[in-house]
Order: sequence, then C-alpha cells, then structure tokens
Amino acid sequence: QQQVKQSPQSLIVQKGGISIINCAYENTAFDYFPWYQQFPGKGPALLIAIRPDVSEKKEGRFTISFNKSAKQFSLHIMDSQPGDSATYFCAARDGTASKLTFGTGTRLQVTL
Amino acid sequence: EPEVTQTPSHQVTQMGQEVILRCVPISNHLYFYWYRQILGQKVEFLVSFYNNEISEKSEIFDDQFSVERPDGSNFTLKIRSTKLEDSAMYFCASSGRRGTDTQYFGPGTRLTVL
Repeated sequence: QQQVKQSPQSLIVQKGGISIINCAYENTAFDYFPWYQQFPGKGPALLIAIRPDVSEKKEGRFTISFNKSAKQFSLHIMDSQPGDSATYFCAARDGTASKLTFGTGTRLQVTL
Repeated sequence: EPEVTQTPSHQVTQMGQEVILRCVPISNHLYFYWYRQILGQKVEFLVSFYNNEISEKSEIFDDQFSVERPDGSNFTLKIRSTKLEDSAMYFCASSGRRGTDTQYFGPGTRLTVL
C-alpha cells in the first residue's frame, strides 16, 4: 500500500531527446509527488513536485504529468542534455505524515 | 545557498560497535529526518523529528537506533550495535516550519560495517 513503483531502472537517451520516467502508487492518501535528482556522491535534490489537483506541471525542460484515476505520474525531460545524467527518484507523501516514500530510482544517461 | 551538511562522509566500523552520524540541518528549519539507501536500492525513511521528539519512525528504526538534537545546530543518528546489514548511505534532511515543506537532503554518510 505504501509502495511507489518506478520504471525503467535505467534509461539511455541521446542528447536532445525526451527522457520519460514513470511511477505508480497505490495509497490514495498520497497528496504530494516530488521528483528528486541525485548526482553521484550527492544527496537527492528536489527537481519538481506536483499535487493531485493538477494534471501537469512544467518547469523549464522538466514536466510532471499526473493521472489521478490511474494513480500514475511521470517525469518528462525535454531536450535532454549530458548534464541531466543522474539518478532520478519519484516520491510521494500523504497529508497525515511528513515522510517521503521513494521509488526505486532510474539511472539516466544522456549520450552525445 | 543554505545546505544540509553531514559528517563524516564515510565511516567504517566493526560489527557490534556504536556509531554516531552527525548532521547540521539548515539553520531555520524545524523538521529533521534520517533516510538510508542501501547500495543500489531505494531511499528509505527512518525517522522524523520535530520539537525535540520523534514524530514518526519506520519499522527499520528499532531499539538500536536513536536520534538526538544535542544543541541548537546538530542532529545525530546513533546506531548502538551495528550489524552488517546496517551498511548503507545515510541521508539527513530538513524542512522548514511545516512538515509539508520541501525536504532538503545532505550529501550523506556512507556507513560500512565489517
């Protein structure tokens, strides 16, 4: 019930391409869905987040799409750059607690 | 830009020994967290701390774990008797005046238990 399932585990995209990472959840009490970016040797850093009252949120090249009925959300990275190469984690939080439940992570490699 | 700092960056210890991992949260933050990440696995919540007490803990956070805010700046995680399976990256995080504020993570402490 508390799990967040993330796919794919790894992703290779050419420079300029679109990277898409998907997450699914079961707990309908989740009401906040952030994406974190993690570079080697660093802690996770918030990239973008969405609440279920909107279906899409865009910040620069990063877009979250949210499908409440399917209990799925995804991260789209447009015009992917080599500097985007990192591990991306989706996460979720329910309104009664402050802890984050993380997905298993996606290692993205953007090639030249 | 303010950031969460953690020391040490890498700790090696023998099984059964006690370790203390240290964190300095962002100065005006009120909520503090510990998460861990076993190599190649997802980040897992351990404990949250607010107003000098534990507000939530996971099933991982058993009696051998404890947290403390010994002064106005540090936040520590103590593992009383380390096990091999405690080997992981431990992340401290902090958030602002509400539990729903963005959590900012430190760079982590890699704990290796031999």
